[in-house]
Amino acid sequence: EIVLTQSPGTLSLSPGESATLSCRATQSLSSSYFSWYQQKPGQAPRLLIYGASTRAADIPDRFSGSGSGTEFTLTIGSVHPEDFAVYYCHHQYGPTLSFGAGTRVEIK
Amino acid sequence: DVHLTESGGGSVHPGGSLRLSCGASGFTFGNYWMHWVRQAPGKGLVWISRLNTDGSKTFYADSVKGRFTISRDNANRKLFLQMNSLTVEDTGLYFCAREDYNSLDALDAWGQGTMVAVSA
Repeated sequence: EIVLTQSPGTLSLSPGESATLSCRATQSLSSSYFSWYQQKPGQAPRLLIYGASTRAADIPDRFSGSGSGTEFTLTIGSVHPEDFAVYYCHHQYGPTLSFGAGTRVEIK
Repeated sequence: DVHLTESGGGSVHPGGSLRLSCGASGFTFGNYWMHWVRQAPGKGLVWISRLNTDGSKTFYADSVKGRFTISRDNANRKLFLQMNSLTVEDTGLYFCAREDYNSLDALDAWGQGTMVAVSA
């Protein structure tokens, strides 16, 4: 079973600062099937990044994804007020899927 | 617009059963693999089950294998999750989600969820 570990658990930032969120896997992953989601309170998750680095439709370019193997990163170039949320990494391995536990980005 | 709407949640005692439904609109439902994902109150996302386009291939998380059954009715654009032998650990908000082959199989559309509460 692949385990995805996200760090930090919580990131406290002021608007305008940049954010770096990490996701580490217990074994090497295919970047093609690695993605990031954003979830705001009371809302469904929203796809941000797929294929490790491709932004989904209508996602602002301040969001970027990178990484390969066991280390993946989501970067928010300049955090906007609407970006305060929980972010999950995700990978599809064969027929099953794994999610990380999430990183909460909160207002400092 | 793509829309997914879950229903069928509710309160049930341990050992009980529920059948969740997910109605789809705004896309050709029968062309997409579909998923169920659970979120316990205040917790993260947990993948539950996956189903191929014609309903012939099913996949489950170990925690629900043998108790839950995923299925679909493409003619009526619906996804289902039959949940039997429910335990308190099954409590949570259940989302249906679409797997998008254009997004390298990421889950690009989600419903708002239906709540399942299992308690004595």
